[in-house]
Amino acid sequence: NAGVTQTPKFRVLKTGQSMTLLCAQDMNHEYMYWYRQDPGMGLRLIHYSVGEGTTAKGEVPDGYNVSRLKKQNFLLGLESAAPSQTSVYFCASRWHIGTQETQYFGPGTRLLVL
Amino acid sequence: GENVEQHPSTLSVQEGDSAVIKCTYSDSASNYFPWYKQELGKRPQLIIDIRSNVGEKKDQRIAVTLNKTAKHFSLHITETQPEDSAVYFCAAGRSGNTGKLIFGQGTTLQVKP
Repeated sequence: NAGVTQTPKFRVLKTGQSMTLLCAQDMNHEYMYWYRQDPGMGLRLIHYSVGEGTTAKGEVPDGYNVSRLKKQNFLLGLESAAPSQTSVYFCASRWHIGTQETQYFGPGTRLLVL
Repeated sequence: GENVEQHPSTLSVQEGDSAVIKCTYSDSASNYFPWYKQELGKRPQLIIDIRSNVGEKKDQRIAVTLNKTAKHFSLHITETQPEDSAVYFCAAGRSGNTGKLIFGQGTTLQVKP
């Protein structure tokens, strides 16, 4: 049981390049989330999904797109990277039963845009 | 928009002392308040949470209190140990809905031996 995994771990991009970050979970969770973490700003929600085939915007969606074609995978795309997208990106999936819930985070992807 | 303010941004205590981190939320419909701990270079992990129908919750050395009227909640760590050193994030959300959380800015706790 690997939990939540992310690839790649680290990437350097030039301005204008594109890339896709992959998040995978093997816990059969319906809900998945993409966050970015910047110093002094906590974790900010980019996009989320409440189930296979669904996506929705979070707090900071501009410049990103997502897809959830399979329940276990949630992809985050940057079509034209900008230096402002330099950040650490975390994916999470949500377990919930009744009134109990937890978001399980992946190990993160560090992205540097030059 | 919805917002969670967290204070202080940094906190340094001596081993064995207590530490308190405070958060204020803006969305009065929030009913779920988790706390996450992130060690250096690691992923955030849930350490404790509280719901709006409870005023206080304890788990060994950590406790969380909630004041719905003031829209304020706090994390209390007693008898701090060096391994408590980490960044702590509070969050607020509406449980049972989309599961979306609004996170605070984080508090870096340093416990000096």
